[in-house]
Amino acid sequence: EVHLVESGGDFVKPGGSLRISCAGSGFTFSYAWMSWVRQAPGKGLEWVGRIKSRDNGGTTDYSAPVKGRFIISRDDFTDTLYLQMTSLTSEDTAVYYCTTEVSGIMGGQTSGAGMNHWGQGTLVTVTS
Amino acid sequence: QTVVTQEPSVSVSPGGTVTLTCGLSSGSVSTRYFPSWYQQTPGQPPRTLIYSTYTRPSGVPDRFSGSLLGNKAALTISGAQADDESDYYCGLYLRSGDVIFGGGTKLTVL
Repeated sequence: EVHLVESGGDFVKPGGSLRISCAGSGFTFSYAWMSWVRQAPGKGLEWVGRIKSRDNGGTTDYSAPVKGRFIISRDDFTDTLYLQMTSLTSEDTAVYYCTTEVSGIMGGQTSGAGMNHWGQGTLVTVTS
Repeated sequence: QTVVTQEPSVSVSPGGTVTLTCGLSSGSVSTRYFPSWYQQTPGQPPRTLIYSTYTRPSGVPDRFSGSLLGNKAALTISGAQADDESDYYCGLYLRSGDVIFGGGTKLTVL
């Protein structure tokens, strides 16, 4: 059974930094595309970014609001996904979910095709 | 800016069938957008019901089905049950690889 367990959520001051983690088990982590999705209190889902599997280049993609501030990385030896967040603002306050992402082929190119498994989430609160 | 549209709220009678839709502010949804559907109850993480337009992950009942309906993606729930009362989100993939979620549909079973 797939398990994703996020950790590291905390209170952070505006302008501060935080790294959160996601431990995966029950699947071959190194072959999985992984994404972060967040949800601000009382709001909908917002995709943050992804990291592809190493056999797909291990490259990262980010949403516009976090590009240049957030970095996604992975450790395929410890089956752990990371999200390093910097220059945090109140707009970044949210529950952050780690997800596995299905990949598909469209027009001869590999693309994400939907989230599959979700963790329970970890809360990041940016407040002075 | 691309906006994904969903009905804010929909209701269904127990045992009934309901269809939720997912559209684009401009253009039609097709399989190339890999539409996906997620169910979320308060205080819980989302649960994937459908990805890549039609595919149900293992463990998702076949009461939930994905399709394309006109120029939108659709999630049909048949034989609605009380515990289907949830928020439902759709997600679409842009050519850039970015994922855009709709604002969600609150489904009431009454």
